[in-house]
Amino acid sequence: ETGVTQTPRHLVMGMTNKKSLKCEQHLGHNAMYWYKQSAKKPLELMFVYSLEERVENNSVPSRFSPECPNSSHLFLHLHTLQPEDSALYLCASSLAVGEQFFGPGTRLTVL
Amino acid sequence: TQLLEQSPQFLSIQEGENLTVYCNSSSVFSSLQWYRQEPGEGPVLLVTVVTGGEVKKLKRLTFQFGDARKDSSLHITAAQPGDTGLYLCAGGYNFNKFYFGSGTKLNVKP
Repeated sequence: ETGVTQTPRHLVMGMTNKKSLKCEQHLGHNAMYWYKQSAKKPLELMFVYSLEERVENNSVPSRFSPECPNSSHLFLHLHTLQPEDSALYLCASSLAVGEQFFGPGTRLTVL
Repeated sequence: TQLLEQSPQFLSIQEGENLTVYCNSSSVFSSLQWYRQEPGEGPVLLVTVVTGGEVKKLKRLTFQFGDARKDSSLHITAAQPGDTGLYLCAGGYNFNKFYFGSGTKLNVKP
């Protein structure tokens, strides 16, 4: 399998649930990213991992918790989310600054 | 305030027409990328421009980077329905200083 994969593709959860999003890249890249994409808003960078260390978290609420166990895998752990957190969550990876390769995203709905 | 402003926000044209979309900033970027995103999918990288004044062509798509490396344009010749999508520009300085514009939503009608 090649490219960047994300699972699940769709997720519906209640505000008290705990769930995790998974991202995997097979491109040999050394940086991975989580983005949030809401309707009518530009892509918002949430977390960046470079060489498995978190570089920036951009003041994301603590109900979002990232984990990067190795250079190929990235997780986003979710707990006690709010309805306004409903969005498309995109994972990306890169080798060089700028040229990011995105996964298909997880469409999250918080009830 | 958006670091990267894209215009127009929406564009609906007939198949065969030409179009240009713009990406403007007051900041200088070390590189700038263009992506296309289709509904329910992640953005797909189209091109990277690095040098001021650079012009790159990808079939019917022509990308230009401004001389001062603050702005860019994407021109599509003879648009086709398959060109429909959200076009995003992005620029940055390093891994954690990377920004996307809000995009131009293009609809090409058959």
